[in-house]
Amino acid sequence: DAGITQSPRHKVTETGTPVTLRCHQTENHRYMYWYRQDPGHGLRLIHYSYGVKDTDKGEVSDGYSVSRSKTEDFLLTLESATSSQTSVYFCAISFLRPGLAGGEQFFGPGTRLTVL
Amino acid sequence: QQPVQSPQAVILREGEDAVINCSSSKALYSVHWYRQKHGEAPVFLMILLKGGEQKGHDKISASFNEKKQQSSLYLTASQLSYSGTYFCGTDMDSNYQLIWGAGTKLIIKP
Repeated sequence: DAGITQSPRHKVTETGTPVTLRCHQTENHRYMYWYRQDPGHGLRLIHYSYGVKDTDKGEVSDGYSVSRSKTEDFLLTLESATSSQTSVYFCAISFLRPGLAGGEQFFGPGTRLTVL
Repeated sequence: QQPVQSPQAVILREGEDAVINCSSSKALYSVHWYRQKHGEAPVFLMILLKGGEQKGHDKISASFNEKKQQSSLYLTASQLSYSGTYFCGTDMDSNYQLIWGAGTKLIIKP
C-alpha cells in the first residue's frame, strides 16, 4: 500500500471556525489531490498540486484553500467552515498525471468532517 | 460533464458476470476504474489510455472505445470480494483532473 496518511481522521467543528486537514505521503509522488465525497456525487476534486508550491483549483474549490511547502505534505484549509462542507475528504497521490501510465491515484484513508 | 455510469446498482449471485458502463459526453484521453468498499478509500483497479486497448487482470477486465467515448468494466465469475461501489474517473483534456462518475453499487450474494 502507498504510504499516505491523513489527519485528523474524524473532526467535529462549528460553523465559522477554521479547519485544516493534513495529507502526508512517503512515496515522493509529484501529484497530490484533495477530493470530497458525498452521497450521489462520487468524488469531486477540490484542489490539486503538481509540485511544491504549485497548486490549482478543481471543480469545487470555493471556500477551500491549499498549500504545499514540501513534497510530502498537502494541506487543505476551510477558512470558515459551513454545514455544506460536512463531507468525507480524501487525499490522493499519483506519480504521473492522470492521462499517462503511472497516473493512477492512490488514496489516503479519508477524514470525516462534520460542521455543526 | 460528469460521466454517466450504468447501472446504478446491480445484485448478483456468486459466479455470475457483470458489466459496468461509463459514458462521457466529451472526448476522453483516459479512463480509470476504482473500487470502494463501505467505509474505506477507493482502490485502483486499472487505467485505460487513449488507443482502445483492453486491459485486465484475474477475472476483471475493461475496454475503452474512444469513438463512442465510453468504457466498460467486466467482472467474470464474480466473487464475494467483488462487492463494493465501482467508480470510473475520466480524463477529458489531458490535464491533471479526473472527473468521476457517481458510482455503481455491486452486491454479490452467496
